Amino acid sequence: QSVLKQPPSVSGAPGQRITISCTGSSSNIGANSAVHWYQQLPGTAPKLLIFGDSNRPSGVPDRFSGSKSGASASLAISGLQAEDEADYYCQSYDSSLSGWVFGGGTKLTVL
Amino acid sequence: QVQLVQSGAEVKKPGTSVKVSCKASGYTFNRYDINWVRQAPGQGLEWMGWINPNSGDSGYAQNLQGRVSITTNTSTSTAYMELSSLGSEDTAVYYCARLHVVMVTSIPHYIFDFWGQGTEVIVSS
Repeated sequence: QSVLKQPPSVSGAPGQRITISCTGSSSNIGANSAVHWYQQLPGTAPKLLIFGDSNRPSGVPDRFSGSKSGASASLAISGLQAEDEADYYCQSYDSSLSGWVFGGGTKLTVL
Repeated sequence: QVQLVQSGAEVKKPGTSVKVSCKASGYTFNRYDINWVRQAPGQGLEWMGWINPNSGDSGYAQNLQGRVSITTNTSTSTAYMELSSLGSEDTAVYYCARLHVVMVTSIPHYIFDFWGQGTEVIVSS
């Protein structure tokens, strides 16, 4: 059981916009701990997509955006492309566990 | 360019131990913490622990305390993760990742910016 809760799957057609939620608690996201998002393509290591709730690393398209409110965060992907099909994970720091926690991951299917 | 290259796949018997290496290049090894993350088949990511190569300080996930040990050899820029008393639930791909601090409007953000390619560990009798 992952500490951060994500929907197991989402889907959308090319060009559409989807969002992936990440729900935490008062010891992680709700404690104002930053949320990071990673994209994992099949058989590869995760890649940083969004950091500090809403910042994009260099090279990440602006189709990807992040937001946070209270104990929850969201990743939005607009203008869906076939290459976006991957697993997405949220991450935050948990003060009660004194360590990093991840969401269970969300599989994005581009229809 | 920054690279983290991990050791090859392992098959281990239950009750034994495994030690996975992560060799860093392209940056000053001592300046960045190394973290370990694992992923069981078809499952999500699980953080295991961290180490500061400069001080040797380390920390571990509560559920792995006593079974996991993370060390470094600064002369070879290599980090190691050793997991003991292996069970079938430890079958996973193990990743090392560099922890980088990024400043945005004077706020530090701690991110895993580079990852190793992963090492598959299979625990089977």
